[in-house]
Amino acid sequence: SAVISQKPSRDICQRGTSLTIQCQVDSQVTMMFWYRQQPGQSLTLIATANQGSEATYESGFVIDKFPISRPNLTFSTLTVSNMSPEDSSIYLCSAARDNEQFFGPGTRLTVL
Amino acid sequence: SQQGEEDPQALSIQEGENATMNCSYKTSINNLQWYRQNSGRGLVHLILIRSNEREKHSGRLRVTLDTSKKSSSLLITASRAADTASYFCATDSSFGNEKLTFGTGTRLTIIP
Repeated sequence: SAVISQKPSRDICQRGTSLTIQCQVDSQVTMMFWYRQQPGQSLTLIATANQGSEATYESGFVIDKFPISRPNLTFSTLTVSNMSPEDSSIYLCSAARDNEQFFGPGTRLTVL
Repeated sequence: SQQGEEDPQALSIQEGENATMNCSYKTSINNLQWYRQNSGRGLVHLILIRSNEREKHSGRLRVTLDTSKKSSSLLITASRAADTASYFCATDSSFGNEKLTFGTGTRLTIIP
């Protein structure tokens, strides 16, 4: 299995500000993924982050709102920009190894 | 992508009983994975079953896959209080891009 860490584990932010979430994998992976889990809901894919290229966003998610960096094969960041209370969610990163996908512990974001 | 359905949405059973959760999906798949999530924390990978497999076991877990019906089931035998969690199925498409589509989840409560 892969060991994935995320920082911060939780944060409370003011409306209109931005938060950058970091994701670190214990070994090199080709693709990393960012998911959102709104309260009481399942997970929805935000984007796929490949090293050396721009992230690929799913329908309903745009780069201006959720810019992603992937500077190397073990690290990625997701920024939630110009936050509103509707952005209050758990944000999770993941990486795949041998077809199995492993998840970080998540970042619980509350926007006031 | 279309989200899969899981049923039941919630399940409460006595400790020691078996718990069965079902997952249906909409498109052709490469793999189907089951995850556990405790109290809105990160996802724990339980088991992966490939599209050419029909049944898989891991400890007290038994997973079946019926690709003709586009459905899977997760059986937890001899349940324990620590099994109380939400359980999600997730599929990746036959295009092999590793993006996961999650089911709606089943909230399992084990009553001591």
